[in-house]
Amino acid sequence: DVKVTQSSRYLVKRTGEKVFLECVQDMDHENMFWYRQDPGLGLRLIYFSYDVKMKEKGDIPEGYSVSREKKERFSLILESASTNQTSMYLCASSPGLAGAYEQYFGPGTRLTVT
Amino acid sequence: AQSVTQLGSHVSVSEGALVLLRCNYSSSVPPYLFWYVQYPNQGLQLLLKYTTGATLVKGINGFEAEFKKSETSFHLTKPSAHMSDAAEYFCAVTPGGYNKLIFGAGTRLAVHP
Repeated sequence: DVKVTQSSRYLVKRTGEKVFLECVQDMDHENMFWYRQDPGLGLRLIYFSYDVKMKEKGDIPEGYSVSREKKERFSLILESASTNQTSMYLCASSPGLAGAYEQYFGPGTRLTVT
Repeated sequence: AQSVTQLGSHVSVSEGALVLLRCNYSSSVPPYLFWYVQYPNQGLQLLLKYTTGATLVKGINGFEAEFKKSETSFHLTKPSAHMSDAAEYFCAVTPGGYNKLIFGAGTRLAVHP
């Protein structure tokens, strides 16, 4: 079974803090993704990576950065957390570049910024 | 640009009744289409997908969906709802040959005894 793990299920941070969300997949997938999920908005893509050290912006990259130093690990960084970044964050991975492959999701991190 | 519209943010059915969750998409190229389910406090799990070939796709837990190109739809159905089907369901599209997913806003399904 593909397993995608996220470092924390729940996280509470203060405004202005630097926040790291970690994601690890164990199936040697090329692609990794970070989404945020908000009620009524579905999932929105923040960043994705199709190879080590490669990254591309998604639909809502402002206020976020990412790092992929190893194939299995993809980190999302909030440089200076703000209250409007309170959300559920989901990491996913998928093999290959063809769109026919589904994405496999981690359990999510619920981040609260106070 | 690709987009996905899910009609109805909340759907409520009785146990044993038909489940119908609607999804319409727009895509400039032949799409790949997906339905995911999210149980409370969990990540998303794939229910089924359409890539090419047969337009009626069967998935896990008794769900199926039919790709109708003329209607740009990919509605999800299950003949008989079970209490354990209560969850949020997401329809997603990716343009052929590229791996980014575009999600609908989701439909929360409630099942009543």
